[in-house]
Amino acid sequence: KAGVTQTPRYLIKTRGQQVTLSCSPISGHRSVSWYQQTPGQGLQFLFEYFSETQRNKGNFPGRFSGRQFSNSRSEMNVSTLELGDSALYLCASSLEVVTYNEQFFGPGTRLTVL
Amino acid sequence: AQTVTQSQPEMSVQEAETVTLSCTYDTSESDYYLFWYKQPPSRQMILVIRQEAYKQQNATENRFSVNFQKAAKSFSLKISDSQLGDAAMYFCACGDDKIIFGKGTRLHILP
Repeated sequence: KAGVTQTPRYLIKTRGQQVTLSCSPISGHRSVSWYQQTPGQGLQFLFEYFSETQRNKGNFPGRFSGRQFSNSRSEMNVSTLELGDSALYLCASSLEVVTYNEQFFGPGTRLTVL
Repeated sequence: AQTVTQSQPEMSVQEAETVTLSCTYDTSESDYYLFWYKQPPSRQMILVIRQEAYKQQNATENRFSVNFQKAAKSFSLKISDSQLGDAAMYFCACGDDKIIFGKGTRLHILP
């Protein structure tokens, strides 16, 4: 089975722009979670989507949004980019809801905001 | 609010020795899960070990084992016979309704 894939792998944007990141989960997985990873804060939970519905959300501003399609692929969008949004964005998929299931992580998208 | 604390930002251990990584957590739920994930340099994060809170027996996966103290809300990871390939960032995580990760411990293996 193919693993979790994320596109693009690297992205450079300027402040004020918006960005869309994509995640394709492992075939058959219904849950997709997104995390922001920075050196100082570790992994911070953004949101989890399960069967096209946002099941949970972390403490991020409304500039961060996401969605999940019927094939379980997910996108996250960040609008009005700020310098502090520079981070590695990780996507993870799991068979069912993430609470007790193993998550399989993608390689991440490295976002740099200039 | 759910929190996970890893008090050791970095640790080093001699190859073939044993090392223990600490993790404490806080959750108001009675039923939850605990995880240790490993992120090798420039490689994807993978699950090392998982523990169900309702199970008293400590989980074990080959050279990796945990010491789960539910009353103390402690979940430490012990790596026995450390190998060079164990060098990585290790994240502790707690899941009740959502998964919350600690800030990680970077483990160095000294040859």
